[in-house]
Amino acid sequence: QKEVEQNSGPLSVPEGAIASLNCTYSDRGSQSFFWYRQYSGKSPELIMSIYSNGDKEDGRFTAQLNKASQYVSLLIRDSQPSDSATYLCAVKENFGNEKLTFGTGTRLTIIP
Amino acid sequence: NAGVTQTPKFQVLKTGQSMTLQCAQDMNHNSMYWYRQDPGMGLRLIYYSASEGTTDKGEVPNGYNVSRLNKREFSLRLESAAPSQTSVYFCASSVGSDYGYTFGSGTRLTVV
Repeated sequence: QKEVEQNSGPLSVPEGAIASLNCTYSDRGSQSFFWYRQYSGKSPELIMSIYSNGDKEDGRFTAQLNKASQYVSLLIRDSQPSDSATYLCAVKENFGNEKLTFGTGTRLTIIP
Repeated sequence: NAGVTQTPKFQVLKTGQSMTLQCAQDMNHNSMYWYRQDPGMGLRLIYYSASEGTTDKGEVPNGYNVSRLNKREFSLRLESAAPSQTSVYFCASSVGSDYGYTFGSGTRLTVV
């Protein structure tokens, strides 16, 4: 069973600070990595994708991937109360596999 | 721009009753998925359809059946509902899993 692991939290971060969310995965053949944001009672929303080692920035969000360590992270700069949500890490495991495996999510709370 | 539409949004069933959850997407996506989300368990794949005319089991298929009616529609059927099937069900679609999924708004199902 391929696994995607996240710290369930809750993670509390002061407004304006950097929130750091982490995810590890078990399959070295994994190819594509995603971060989803899910507000309470809502459906997951794709916020970042990353495919190559290194950093990818989109506004206040930065995704970081290290395939050697099987580690992917999401940084949220200048955290806002509206960033309070559960963040799901998802991994596509290998070529020809049309499925994503999701972590259980990290609940993030931004403290005003 | 509807995206992925799920019906119904809420449903209460008695043990042993049957029902079909409907999902339709208007994005011309090839792949469609059914997930369930339970507290502490994350999103677990029930069934998926990588293309029109094909369906495959996911992680938790027991007690469910699916039909890929056409490219747009992918339904999930519970033949004899059990309390263990109380969950939030999400349908998702993708042009290909390397690009992530778009989720529907979910169906909250309670089996009593």
